[in-house]
Amino acid sequence: SAVISQKPSRDICQRGTSLTIQCQVDSQVTMMFWYRQQPGQSLTLIATANQGSEATYESGFVIDKFPISRPNLTFSTLTVSNMSPEDSSIYLCSVLTSGVYNEQFFGPGTRLTVL
Amino acid sequence: AQTVTQSQPEMSVQEAETVTLSCTYDTSESDYYLFWYKQPPSRQMILVIRQEAYKQQNATENRFSVNFQKAAKSFSLKISDSQLGDAAMYFCAWGGTSYGKLTFGQGTILTVHP
Repeated sequence: SAVISQKPSRDICQRGTSLTIQCQVDSQVTMMFWYRQQPGQSLTLIATANQGSEATYESGFVIDKFPISRPNLTFSTLTVSNMSPEDSSIYLCSVLTSGVYNEQFFGPGTRLTVL
Repeated sequence: AQTVTQSQPEMSVQEAETVTLSCTYDTSESDYYLFWYKQPPSRQMILVIRQEAYKQQNATENRFSVNFQKAAKSFSLKISDSQLGDAAMYFCAWGGTSYGKLTFGQGTILTVHP
């Protein structure tokens, strides 16, 4: 398994500002992902964070809005840029461990409210 | 593209009883993984059970078991001897073998009555 922490756990932000969410894992992992969970909804994949290269974004998500960094195998950040109330969601980081293929572990999430 | 459908937005069960949560999916791939995740109010996603599509035997984890019907593309979760701590949102998810990303269903809210 993997222990994942996210910072901040929650935040309230003003429209037009940006917020950077951090994800830290206690061990090196092959793949890291960022998901969005809108209020009362399911999880939607935003992007795969690739170590040392640009993130791979899913349809409907763009780098200008959700820039992602992954400087090493244990850390990643997601920035939500130029926020609007529609960005109010829970943002979750997940990791795929190298021990058991396709077994993902999730961070505790960051609850973002945009006013 | 893969789709995952959970047709039960809400379910309820009495403590100590058994409940089954439904999930269907659509994929053109022959090899894949299926998962049930639990998300309590704390919002921490917890892996409940995992099934490899190439395995005919249904996965079990203590009180949790699945009924995997590959031809019907059905993957239901059975919770036996339900406990108050089982109350949560349950998500069914599909994962491919060549990449790690998951496709989630809409979720089922499970309420456990004492």
